[in-house]
Amino acid sequence: SQQGEEDPQALSIQEGENATMNCSYKTSINNLQWYRQNSGRGLVHLILIRSNEREKHSGRLRVTLDTSKKSSSLLITASRAADTASYFCATDAIQGAQKLVFGQGTRLTINP
Amino acid sequence: NAGVMQNPRHLVRRRGQEARLRCSPMKGHSHVYWYRQLPEEGLKFMVYLQKENIIDESGMPKERFSAEFPKEGPSILRIQQVVRGDSAAYFCASSPTGRGGGEAFFGQGTRLTVV
Repeated sequence: SQQGEEDPQALSIQEGENATMNCSYKTSINNLQWYRQNSGRGLVHLILIRSNEREKHSGRLRVTLDTSKKSSSLLITASRAADTASYFCATDAIQGAQKLVFGQGTRLTINP
Repeated sequence: NAGVMQNPRHLVRRRGQEARLRCSPMKGHSHVYWYRQLPEEGLKFMVYLQKENIIDESGMPKERFSAEFPKEGPSILRIQQVVRGDSAAYFCASSPTGRGGGEAFFGQGTRLTVV
């Protein structure tokens, strides 16, 4: 069964506002990664957070990881129209080979 | 250092034909992963290969699908006798390491349309 689940499935906000997306997973992980996908394009890696980390920043991105709740959040601050895309979390389980398990994604729309 | 290269970017096949999708990993990467993405869905793992070896094919359909990563040349995902349900975007990713976790780099994908 699908390991990662994002919510909300779709999010629409005004430019300049902050966007928060959440991801839950089921098994123990090595790390969790967030990717962005523009419509009809490939995946762009945003940030990787390891299981022993609780928070990580990269520019306007802030990722948190709570392994006790098996959840992560991605915060995009001061959103821009160019942030419009689908965002996916992907987990790398401890057991087994390094295959990423993706959630269904959150479709983020930034309105100008 | 070029990224992960996939070709073709778009592929149209008639039902019953064969589809061959190619993936060249990043330089120095010997681990390749194939994923399939149906419209409006996330990526689903298909197969994990190292040079000349299939490590994990738990996500591959049992029939018509095969993958290889030869000693020389790109990784190939082959779909025989394609059906409409095979229409999807197929993504390849590569990484320098296998177990232990690490960033996977994705190609732009091949969009297969079966007509």
